[in-house]
Order: sequence, then C-alpha cells, then structure tokens
Amino acid sequence: DTEVTQTPKHLVMGMTNKKSLKCEQHMGHRAMYWYKQKAKKPPELMFVYSYEKLSINESVPSRFSPECPNSSLLNLHLHALQPEDSALYLCASSRDREGTNEKLFFGSGTQLSVL
Amino acid sequence: GQQLNQSPQSMFIQEGEDVSMNCTSSSIFNTWLWYKQDPGEGPVLLIALYKAGELTSNGRLTAQFGITRKDSFLNISASIPSDVGIYFCAGRSIQGAQKLVFGQGTRLTINP
Repeated sequence: DTEVTQTPKHLVMGMTNKKSLKCEQHMGHRAMYWYKQKAKKPPELMFVYSYEKLSINESVPSRFSPECPNSSLLNLHLHALQPEDSALYLCASSRDREGTNEKLFFGSGTQLSVL
Repeated sequence: GQQLNQSPQSMFIQEGEDVSMNCTSSSIFNTWLWYKQDPGEGPVLLIALYKAGELTSNGRLTAQFGITRKDSFLNISASIPSDVGIYFCAGRSIQGAQKLVFGQGTRLTINP
C-alpha cells in the first residue's frame, strides 16, 4: 500500500476564512511533506516533518500553519489567504527524511481556490 | 539553489512512437526519481534510480542514472493514449540531500 490520502479534493475559500487541509498515510513513514504546485510548474516544498517535528520551513508565510498530530496525520491550517495562494496543495510522505535515497509518495492533492 | 534542466518542455507525438526525455544537473546527484502527473492529481512515482549507470524498467518505461551522476533519462516505448501527462524528474544532490529538486517537467501529448 503506497497510498497517501488527502481531503478535501477541492476547496474554495474567501480571504477571511479559516480552513484546514488534511493528509493521512498508513505506510509507517516517519517523514511527511507539504508542497504547493502552481499550474504547469513543478511542486515547491513548503514544510517537512520528521518524526512529528517540523524540520524544514521554506520561509512560508504564517498564514499557512502546519500541524502533525501523530505519525500518520498531517494538517495544513489556512487563514487569511490571498488569491495568489490558489494552487494544488500536495502532501507527500517518505520512510525517513534523513535517508538520501528515500522515495516520496504523493497524495492526489487539494485544489484550492481563494476568492 | 539547485536546479535541474529537463528537456524537452513538451512533446507532440503519434500513438505508437517511442519517447525520450532527460534531466541534467550542474552537480552530482545520488538519487534520481521519475514521476508522472495527470491533471488535478498528484505525481505518481514511476522509477527510482540510486547508482551511476543503473538502468531500470517499469513496463514500457526505462530510465537510466547517468555515468557522470549529473543526468538521467526516461524512455517510453510504443506510446499509448494513457501516457499523456506531465513527466517530472527529481533528484537529490550530494550537497543538498535533504531536499528533492524537481525538473520543470515534460508535457507529453499523443495524437491517436
């Protein structure tokens, strides 16, 4: 089983709303990631959690707040977003971040539109 | 930061043709991954490469880790309509092994 599950599939929100994206994996992976992807561009790394601790924050604005409640779950809390934040948000996991040859497995993403 | 040069950016081919795309980097990589992404979906891992010279197949797909460790290619033989999508290479360099670097993608379009 190499499945990473993301919900919701689609999300439309206003600039004053608060919403959350959810990600779940049951592969026993200890590293989880959030990526942002604009149309026709490669994924851009936002955050990395390793063993449930935030290990990389790629200078992401504070209106994006990640949370890792346990080793299987990863959330991304959204507040006061801007229209330019509209994108496909991808969650990924790997067995271990520290390994240099780890494969990343991606979820199907949440297509976010900010109005 | 690290950059990967992926080419071509797009390909328009006839069904049944073979496809070849490649990625090059300015630094030595120790991992190459190839992904395919359909519209509105996440990237799906196709092939992972870990050693210089390694040649790995996955059905009609074949990928190789370049001898210089600075490049990789992906070939698709006898293309079919479901091969349509965007193909991304990704890799980890020796210096920045913690982060996966992505190429800009190759958009494949197939005429039936």
